Amino acid sequence: ILNVEQSPQSLHVQEGDSTNFTCSFPSSNFYALHWYRWETAKSPEALFVMTLNGDEKKKGRISATLNTKEGYSYLYIKGSQPEDSATYLCAFFYNQGGKLIFGQGTELSVKP
Amino acid sequence: GAGVSQSPRYKVAKRGQDVALRCDPISGHVSLFWYQQALGQGPEFLTYFQNEAQLDKSGLPSDRFFAERPEGSVSTLKIQRTQQEDSAVYLCASSSIPRQTYGYTFGSGTRLTVV
Repeated sequence: ILNVEQSPQSLHVQEGDSTNFTCSFPSSNFYALHWYRWETAKSPEALFVMTLNGDEKKKGRISATLNTKEGYSYLYIKGSQPEDSATYLCAFFYNQGGKLIFGQGTELSVKP
Repeated sequence: GAGVSQSPRYKVAKRGQDVALRCDPISGHVSLFWYQQALGQGPEFLTYFQNEAQLDKSGLPSDRFFAERPEGSVSTLKIQRTQQEDSAVYLCASSSIPRQTYGYTFGSGTRLTVV
């Protein structure tokens, strides 16, 4: 059974705090790791797709790293803003499959 | 269209009622996925189409769930004799090629509540 775990489940921070979340996934049959940001009442929005061990990607204040050998990815948000409040989902795409396996998400709340 | 469109946005069904959820993918997108997200959980895979062919339906929870994409564009997810455990957000996603290396485009989902 392919299992993707995210931690923490929820996080409450103050505006300006930096924060990070973890995604753990199977280290075998790896093809890609996706990160999505899902705001309430909107569509999940792709943040990053990472494919290579050691990959680091950045989009504004958000960055992500990937370790395929040990099966984890970190998502970092520098200087959190209230508009960063959302659920952050990671999803594993494995080599023999055609579908994404999602973690349960990390719900981030940023207070002004 | 510009994005993936799902309808209805919200659906309340009485237990035992049949429902049909619609997904309009981005024009020309080959791959189409349905996911089910129960409260407090991540999205769970239901089924996958490549054009009109249903390549994987391993995630459909019971034979009450049926999906089709007859012309390789619009897809419908049908749930017969709805039960309370079917209450969830149903997400549709599409992509231009199978197993692409950029993110899928998701719709906003249909929130189904079975009472």
